[in-house]
Amino acid sequence: QKEVEQNSGPLSVPEGAIASLNCTYSDRGSQSFFWYRQYSGKSPELIMFIYSNGDKEDGRFTAQLNKASQYVSLLIRDSQPSDSATYLCAASISGGYNKLIFGAGTRLAVHP
Amino acid sequence: DGGITQSPKYLFRKEGQNVTLSCEQNLNHDAMYWYRQDPGQGLRLIYYSQIVNDFQKGDIAEGYSVSREKKESFPLTVTSAQKNPTAFYLCASHRGTGGQPQHFGDGTRLSIL
Repeated sequence: QKEVEQNSGPLSVPEGAIASLNCTYSDRGSQSFFWYRQYSGKSPELIMFIYSNGDKEDGRFTAQLNKASQYVSLLIRDSQPSDSATYLCAASISGGYNKLIFGAGTRLAVHP
Repeated sequence: DGGITQSPKYLFRKEGQNVTLSCEQNLNHDAMYWYRQDPGQGLRLIYYSQIVNDFQKGDIAEGYSVSREKKESFPLTVTSAQKNPTAFYLCASHRGTGGQPQHFGDGTRLSIL
């Protein structure tokens, strides 16, 4: 059974701090990894995607991938109360034509 | 504006009734997907389609059916065989081939009457 695991949280961080969200995946053949933000009652919104080992930065967001450890993370710098949401990690299934496996999400709470 | 439109936003189903959820995209995306989300759980794949007139079952296809007669449309029917249909249904699409990010519509929330 291919899985993506995330700590459900809540992860509570003060405003202005760095939030670190983590995800592990079981399928060694996964090639593509995605982070989505989901506000309560809304649909997921793509935040970052990463294909290669290392870091990828976009504004306040940095995605990190370590394929050897089967580990993906998302760092949010200068966290804002508007970042409070559930963050879903997704990994592509090997041989599955862009079929994705989603984690259950980590709830982030940024407090003023 | 380009995007993925799901309708209706809210839907109520009576016992024994089939209901159809609409998903339309004007992004010229080739692939389209249907997911189900239950509270506190990740998204689970119901059906997906890579090209017109072709679709494949996902992990939880039982009790659901789809069609892909046009590139821009991928409706999902929740049949009476689906005994626990209450969930948030999400349609997604992406351009090109594998590895591309999927983008989501706003979702349809289905409840039992």
